Amino acid sequence: AIQMTQSPSSLSASVGDSVTITCRASQDIRNDLGWYQQKPGEAPKLLIYAASTLQSGVPSKFSGSGSGTDFTLTISSLQPEDSATYYCLQDFYYPCTFGQGTKLEIK
Amino acid sequence: EVQLVESGGGLVQPGGSLRLSCAASGFTFNEHYMDWVRQAPGKGLEWVGRIRKKSNSYTTEYATSVKGRFTISRDDLKKSLFLQMNSLRTEDTAVYYCCRVVSRSENDALDFWGLGTVITVSS
Repeated sequence: AIQMTQSPSSLSASVGDSVTITCRASQDIRNDLGWYQQKPGEAPKLLIYAASTLQSGVPSKFSGSGSGTDFTLTISSLQPEDSATYYCLQDFYYPCTFGQGTKLEIK
Repeated sequence: EVQLVESGGGLVQPGGSLRLSCAASGFTFNEHYMDWVRQAPGKGLEWVGRIRKKSNSYTTEYATSVKGRFTISRDDLKKSLFLQMNSLRTEDTAVYYCCRVVSRSENDALDFWGLGTVITVSS
C-alpha cells in the first residue's frame, strides 16, 4: 500500500502566522491528493482536492500544491479557529491511505 | 442539504459481527461512490473501503486490515450504505464515518461526512 508520510506531526503557531504541512507519498500519485481538517469531536472536512483545488466554501487562506510524491498544505493568516488536526489522503492507488495527521495549535 | 446519518454502532465481543447503516439524503445517492472511514480512539483516520455505483457494477475496494472480514453494500432505492463487519477484533474499535465520494476531473475526494457511529469491540 502507498505510504503517506506527513510532517510535522504537530506544530504551534501564533495568530497571523502562516504554516506549511507536508505530505510525501511512497510512490507517484500524480495529483490525486486531498487535505482534510478535523476539529475535536467533529467529523473531518474537505479543504483541498486534486492537490491544489479549493473545495467550495473553504476560505482562500488554505492552499495546496504539489504533484507526484510531494505535496504541501499552506494555511495563512492563522486564526484560533484553525486549531485542528490536518490529514492528507491519497486515492490514486487502492487501498486509499491517509497521512498520520498534523495537529496545529494556535498560541 | 446533504446529510449522512450512521447507525448500528455499539458494543460487540471479539469474534462477533455488526452491521452499520448510513442513511443518505439531500443528493442523488445512486450517482456517487461511497466510502467508510474509521478513527480509533485518540488515533488518526483510516480508510476502510469504497463501493462504486451501479454503472461500475457496485464493485468494492477494501483496506488490507479489513479485507475478507468486512463487506460494503448499498441499496440505491433506500439511499442507504451498509458495512457488514464480521470476525471483529479489539483493534476494530473506532468511530466509523460514512462519506460521499465526489469525482471531479478524474480526482476523487470525500466531500461530505456523517457524524460517525461508535463501535467498541471488547469482552
